[in-house]
Amino acid sequence: DTGVSQNPRHKITKRGQNVTFRCDPISEHNRLYWYRQTLGQGPEFLTYFQNEAQLEKSRLLSDRFSAERPKGSFSTLEIQRTEQGDSAMYLCASSLRDRGAGYTFGSGTRLTVV
Amino acid sequence: ILNVEQSPQSLHVQEGDSTNFTCSFPSSNFYALHWYRWETAKSPEALFVMTLNGDEKKKGRISATLNTKEGYSYLYIKGSQPEDSATYLCALTTGTASKLTFGTGTRLQVTL
Repeated sequence: DTGVSQNPRHKITKRGQNVTFRCDPISEHNRLYWYRQTLGQGPEFLTYFQNEAQLEKSRLLSDRFSAERPKGSFSTLEIQRTEQGDSAMYLCASSLRDRGAGYTFGSGTRLTVV
Repeated sequence: ILNVEQSPQSLHVQEGDSTNFTCSFPSSNFYALHWYRWETAKSPEALFVMTLNGDEKKKGRISATLNTKEGYSYLYIKGSQPEDSATYLCALTTGTASKLTFGTGTRLQVTL
């Protein structure tokens, strides 16, 4: 297991199109998090899963965003009807359940909406 | 909404200089303070997780301290090298939330 893997690394899409990103966490980690980072800001929390259950979803997320983690393994983040404001780096991280445990991040997916 | 602040926003030092950054956070309901280093085109790398007031941690030339009573943490880099150039992020977890709340980061550039 070499860490958290995210695909694709880059995505350019036209406004109004749907996009889906994938995250493969470290296999022993039961928690999986999605964050979004825009220029000049720190990563902002979007949602997280414990195993297959989605336990929290940020109010930042509109109903165009949906995330799944079937079978508690990989996760997908889908954005429907993309807008230019969705352009950002989307980061995935995984951790053990302990709140003091460090997160392991993926390299992110950079989305550009044109 | 938690407010995690970092200063300075950016820093430009020469090789060999020592430097430090500040992370301030609300002291109520504190659980853990995390430091990450994020180099361009790479994934954020965990440096330290600190939970106890007075904690000090060290990793090579980088060290960090924690004061939970007054709500701040310092990150120190001794003898900066060009490979230390990165954005340094601090993040907080609280007693009621497992998610990390990040500061905006300190962007460090070390030149020869």
